[in-house]
Amino acid sequence: DAGVIQSPRHEVTEMGQEVTLRCKPISGHNSLFWYRQTMMRGLELLIYFNNNVPIDDSGMPEDRFSAKMPNASFSTLKIQPSEPRDSAVYFCASRTQGGHGYTFGSGTRLTVV
Amino acid sequence: GEDVEQSLFLSVREGDSSVINCTYTDSSSTYLYWYKQEPGAGLQLLTYIFSNMDMKQDQRLTVLLNKKDKHLSLRIADTQTGDSAIYFCAEIPYNNNDMRFGAGTRLTVKP
Repeated sequence: DAGVIQSPRHEVTEMGQEVTLRCKPISGHNSLFWYRQTMMRGLELLIYFNNNVPIDDSGMPEDRFSAKMPNASFSTLKIQPSEPRDSAVYFCASRTQGGHGYTFGSGTRLTVV
Repeated sequence: GEDVEQSLFLSVREGDSSVINCTYTDSSSTYLYWYKQEPGAGLQLLTYIFSNMDMKQDQRLTVLLNKKDKHLSLRIADTQTGDSAIYFCAEIPYNNNDMRFGAGTRLTVKP
């Protein structure tokens, strides 16, 4: 298995632009998580899905952030419009029911200028 | 408190043992985890311990669990420069799918 695959690895965009981050979880994993990592705030859970259904989005900072999981093998995190304070590394992770821990992707480093 | 707590920095000499400490929040947590994050990479599961165990050893890694004090530690024997990374402690409270992470301990290994 190739693991959790995120794209792009790096994204540089101008303030106000729409940004879409993508994630392919491990096949057979039925939970998917989006995290944001910054120096100031560490790892923050943004949202997670069970069986493609959003369960807890209380960590989504504001309405500019949205996430979808149209099927078991794909999820997106969208920021519209982006702001410089959104600059961070965004991680996707997946887990199987009863499995141990999460498997993380390599992350997308987002820079909003 | 409500946070998983870890000290932020640890520096050791190559060949010494490293001990990274963590205090977790929920006594119902069934499993506790240690993750390693190398520069520019995602978090990698290092090891985990079931809450009814006191200790787990895996090659150079030893995990100690004090359930009464909700204290978890990770000992790395014969620390190498390749062990330099950020180490995260994490718990999943019972009946909850949401893993709670500490802020991470940055381990620096000096030659």
